[in-house]
Amino acid sequence: DTEVTQTPKHLVMGMTNKKSLKCEQHMGHRAMYWYKQKAKKPPELMFVYSYEKLSINESVPSRFSPECPNSSLLNLHLHALQPEDSALYLCASSSRTSGFYEQYFGPGTRLTVT
Amino acid sequence: AQTVTQSQPEMSVQEAETVTLSCTYDTSESDYYLFWYKQPPSRQMILVIRQEAYKQQNATENRFSVNFQKAAKSFSLKISDSQLGDAAMYFCAYRSKTSGTYKYIFGTGTRLKVLA
Repeated sequence: DTEVTQTPKHLVMGMTNKKSLKCEQHMGHRAMYWYKQKAKKPPELMFVYSYEKLSINESVPSRFSPECPNSSLLNLHLHALQPEDSALYLCASSSRTSGFYEQYFGPGTRLTVT
Repeated sequence: AQTVTQSQPEMSVQEAETVTLSCTYDTSESDYYLFWYKQPPSRQMILVIRQEAYKQQNATENRFSVNFQKAAKSFSLKISDSQLGDAAMYFCAYRSKTSGTYKYIFGTGTRLKVLA
């Protein structure tokens, strides 16, 4: 099962709200990623977890807080966001398969900050 | 630092024809991975094809093939017999093989339109 799931699919939140995005994979991958993607642009890396430990934080503002409760789950907690944070948030996972570090993406959560 | 360049923001192809999308990259490493990803409008990003740098043979997946020129640092994607479902953003990506490296470097993308 080569599937990464994300919930919710759409999220509208005010600048004072607190919300969370959820990502799940059951492929046994030990690296999981959060990306932010604006329209017609490539994904921008935000965070990488490797073996449930934060490996990369691309200088993301503290209003975004990642969490990896276990090897299958990845959360992104959102608080006091700005309108410019509106984007598609993609989760991905990767593992070494047949010699390749293939990355599998979820369908994304489309976030609108009002 | 590695970079990936896609110089064609947009391409068009007639249905059933062949189109080639360009990708160049810059790296000082000798072994690495290269990928092409497809992202249809409002749909999930999926892996189209991948190449391991030390392998000289060009990768092929059904109607998709690559022309990997390591010395020129070029990794183009050829789509044969184009179909309407091929319309999408295509991203070229690079990944180091260095142990502990998890970062993928993406190009800016090429939007492919398929004309009926």
